[in-house]
Amino acid sequence: DGGITQSPKYLFRKEGQNVTLSCEQNLNHDAMYWYRQDPGQGLRLIYYSQIVNDFQKGDIAEGYSVSREKKESFPLTVTSAQKNPTAFYLCASKKQASNEKLFFGSGTQLSVL
Amino acid sequence: QKEVEQDPGPLSVPEGAIVSLNCTYSNSAFQYFMWYRQYSRKGPELLMYTYSSGNKEDGRFTAQVDKSSKYISLFIRDSQPSDSATYLCAMSDMIYNQGGKLIFGQGTELSVKP
Repeated sequence: DGGITQSPKYLFRKEGQNVTLSCEQNLNHDAMYWYRQDPGQGLRLIYYSQIVNDFQKGDIAEGYSVSREKKESFPLTVTSAQKNPTAFYLCASKKQASNEKLFFGSGTQLSVL
Repeated sequence: QKEVEQDPGPLSVPEGAIVSLNCTYSNSAFQYFMWYRQYSRKGPELLMYTYSSGNKEDGRFTAQVDKSSKYISLFIRDSQPSDSATYLCAMSDMIYNQGGKLIFGQGTELSVKP
């Protein structure tokens, strides 16, 4: 079945530690996105990538980094510079950036120990 | 002021009720309007998609867009307990050089009681 796989489902970060969230898609989509979801705040865009080897900052990129070395993979690193990382992280993709239909993975809950 | 405003609820209704969920927005360039349904601790799934103004119906769900008022609605008829979820509105002007990003509302938590 085609889809977006996020792992792990739950992740715990110690202070000063960098952690990486995985996102893999087998939909052959060009565009991929990372959103952060906090209670009562909806989804906020962290980073997005329209094609391989290219990515752009979203609205809340500080403290995060990404890479897009392969079409199917778009990992997100939450660095120690992100002082409030506890949130539900969602990866999403579209066939092309200009396409309207966005598909989501099942999410990763990141918590601070 | 946020670009998209959505009443967070929670909203509780009895089974069989008609549910109305709403969003207002400020950016007149928005042309594409979507509703997503999100079950607890799951990824959102696309429920309805509308381009520009007008109505769209799919089974028990109807989406309405009024661009003159910058107001969109989702109606759920004959609501079921399985409709209990958070509903997110999303919209975009779909300009390619902005990555085609969607702007989301805060989400409305709906509970349908048997």
